[in-house]
Amino acid sequence: GENVEQHPSTLSVQEGDSAVIKCTYSDSASNYFPWYKQELGKRPQLIIDIRSNVGEKKDQRIAVTLNKTAKHFSLHITETQPEDSAVYFCAASMEEYGNKLVFGAGTILRVKS
Amino acid sequence: DAGVIQSPRHEVTEMGQEVTLRCKPISGHDYLFWYRQTMMRGLELLIYFNNNVPIDDSGMPEDRFSAKMPNASFSTLKIQPSEPRDSAVYFCASSSPLVDTDTQYFGPGTRLTVL
Repeated sequence: GENVEQHPSTLSVQEGDSAVIKCTYSDSASNYFPWYKQELGKRPQLIIDIRSNVGEKKDQRIAVTLNKTAKHFSLHITETQPEDSAVYFCAASMEEYGNKLVFGAGTILRVKS
Repeated sequence: DAGVIQSPRHEVTEMGQEVTLRCKPISGHDYLFWYRQTMMRGLELLIYFNNNVPIDDSGMPEDRFSAKMPNASFSTLKIQPSEPRDSAVYFCASSSPLVDTDTQYFGPGTRLTVL
């Protein structure tokens, strides 16, 4: 089955700097890659997603890039703010399995002001 | 829409007791997922349903766990008997690929503590 690895497990950045979180997946048939943000004590919430027919997607300060050949995708947050501090999860899924998601282990992002 | 609704929000029980967690998906969503989150194991998919039918229960840890979806607006996850290692946050999520791509919307979760 699909396996998703996520790095780093923790990341500390200074406010205003950029943050990058990377994930790799094992099954080349995966075609949907969402990123979720989870604040302490809250539910995971989708912040951005990308499909395998697209190499990059941006939404304001957040962008996701996908390299299908290398089977990895990354989340980029620019101009980080204290409210970006949270746990970020990447995930992968294949349509043939409905939209069953396999999640990475998560990255704790701390933005220091 | 109120989003995915879960109850109870917190549950404290003693080992050996039966626990029932409840979920109401977003109206019109045809996929429902149950996840368990712990520090050690992260977010694990336990089971998911499509149109009220269980599709994949390979994540259910053992026979003590069971899930049902009697209709499109209600699902339960039952643990009987409960054990301390079942302590976790249990999330329910729903989605509707035909309407809103593959976005899964999570409920607020149920924090279960088994003493």
